[in-house]
Amino acid sequence: EAEVAQSPRYKITEKSQAVAFWCDPISGHATLYWYRQILGQGPELLVQFQDESVVDDSQLPKDRFSAERLKGVDSTLKIQPAELGDSAMYLCASSQDTGGEKLFFGSGTQLSVL
Amino acid sequence: GESVGLHLPTLSVQEGDNSIINCAYSNSASDYFIWYKQESGKGPQFIIDIRSNMDKRQGQRVTVLLNKTVKHLSLQIAATQPGDSAVYFCAENLASGGSYIPTFGRGTSLIVHP
Repeated sequence: EAEVAQSPRYKITEKSQAVAFWCDPISGHATLYWYRQILGQGPELLVQFQDESVVDDSQLPKDRFSAERLKGVDSTLKIQPAELGDSAMYLCASSQDTGGEKLFFGSGTQLSVL
Repeated sequence: GESVGLHLPTLSVQEGDNSIINCAYSNSASDYFIWYKQESGKGPQFIIDIRSNMDKRQGQRVTVLLNKTVKHLSLQIAATQPGDSAVYFCAENLASGGSYIPTFGRGTSLIVHP
């Protein structure tokens, strides 16, 4: 069964450093999502792409976070500089359309900022 | 702002019992709801969905009930098994600029005792 691929699986960094996460959605899925999940809470949307275009990034802290999906396939989420409060699981998901139906999630990148 | 939330953070049941996980939503305009299961160290996995024009939908061992009058959603798991132990999230689709943003609640941890 096709899966959403994410890397790295774990990332430990010091505050003020730059980090980047990569996601490869299921082939043919036009919509890609980046979520942040703090331990004990539900995932919170950071950014949603439709093909290469941003659909919603209203919750993305744009002073330090950036996301791109240049060719409408894989995507990169970057944090620069990282802060202690950024420690969380970063989840990527994809779906076939923009209706928010049946998201397929990757296993996430667990970020620890020291 | 409006949000999706859960009544019980933890539910403990015995193997073979039926489990009921509840969710309250506050956005009366939401017309699509999804339940996800998240096992430790993994991303959420789609379980079942329901549209607002339905009151009930059944899957394999799972049933979702929707009460639009009181804005309440529930997930029923029949004959609960140890493999059902996980965190369960309800999510609603919020309309945003022509697309839909899947918005998650806090989650309920289901613990199944053998």
